[in-house]
Amino acid sequence: GQSLEQPSEVTAVEGAIVQINCTYQTSGFYGLSWYQQHDGGAPTFLSYNALDGLEETGRFSSFLSRSDSYGYLLLQELQMKDSASYFCAVRDTGRRALTFGSGTRLQVQP
Amino acid sequence: NAGVTQTPKFQVLKTGQSMTLQCAQDMNHNSMYWYRQDPGMGLRLIYYSASEGTTDKGEVPNGYNVSRLNKREFSLRLESAAPSQTSVYFCASGQGSSYEQYFGPGTRLTVT
Repeated sequence: GQSLEQPSEVTAVEGAIVQINCTYQTSGFYGLSWYQQHDGGAPTFLSYNALDGLEETGRFSSFLSRSDSYGYLLLQELQMKDSASYFCAVRDTGRRALTFGSGTRLQVQP
Repeated sequence: NAGVTQTPKFQVLKTGQSMTLQCAQDMNHNSMYWYRQDPGMGLRLIYYSASEGTTDKGEVPNGYNVSRLNKREFSLRLESAAPSQTSVYFCASGQGSSYEQYFGPGTRLTVT
C-alpha cells in the first residue's frame, strides 16, 4: 500500500517563506502531487513532480527527491490568503487514482 | 464551463435511509472519483471510474455503490446510511494519469 507523512500544522508570518514536507512510501511511484484546500472549500491542484528537482509556479515551488522518497512545497512571499490546508498525494499502485496525505494546516499570521 | 458540479450541497439523513449523490463534469474527462473527507483528515477514495462503463473500489467502499451513467455523470449511492458515513463527499474528475484532478464543491452529509 501507500503511506504519506506530512506535519499536521505550520505557522508563519506574512511575507515569509514556508516549506511543507512530505515523505512517502509506495511500492510503485509515478509522481507527487500537491493540492490546496481552504476551509469549507474543495481541493485545488497546485503542482506535480514526476522527476527529481524543483518545479516553480509563481510564488509556489515543489521539489522531489525520488531516491529519498521525499518532496516539499515551498511557498514564498506568504499572504493571508495562503492560510489553508495543503495535501501531498501519490498515485495508487494498481489503481489510476490518488492516495492523499492527512494534510498540513498552514496559518499565516500578520 | 461549470467544471465539476455536485448535488445536493447539504443533506441530513436518519440512520437506515438511502440517498444518491449526483456528480457531473463538463471537461470531457475519462476518469471520475468519489472521496470522503472526515474532519481534520485527508481525502479517502471510495470508488472511481477510469472510463465510461467501468468502476472500481477504492480504499473505503463498504456501504456505498456507484454508477457511471455516461461520460459526464458519476453517482454515489448510500443504501442504508449509518452515522459513520457522516462526512463531506467530494467528486472529482481527471484525464490520463490522474495526478491532476478537478474537484466539485462537495456534499456535506450528516447521518443521525
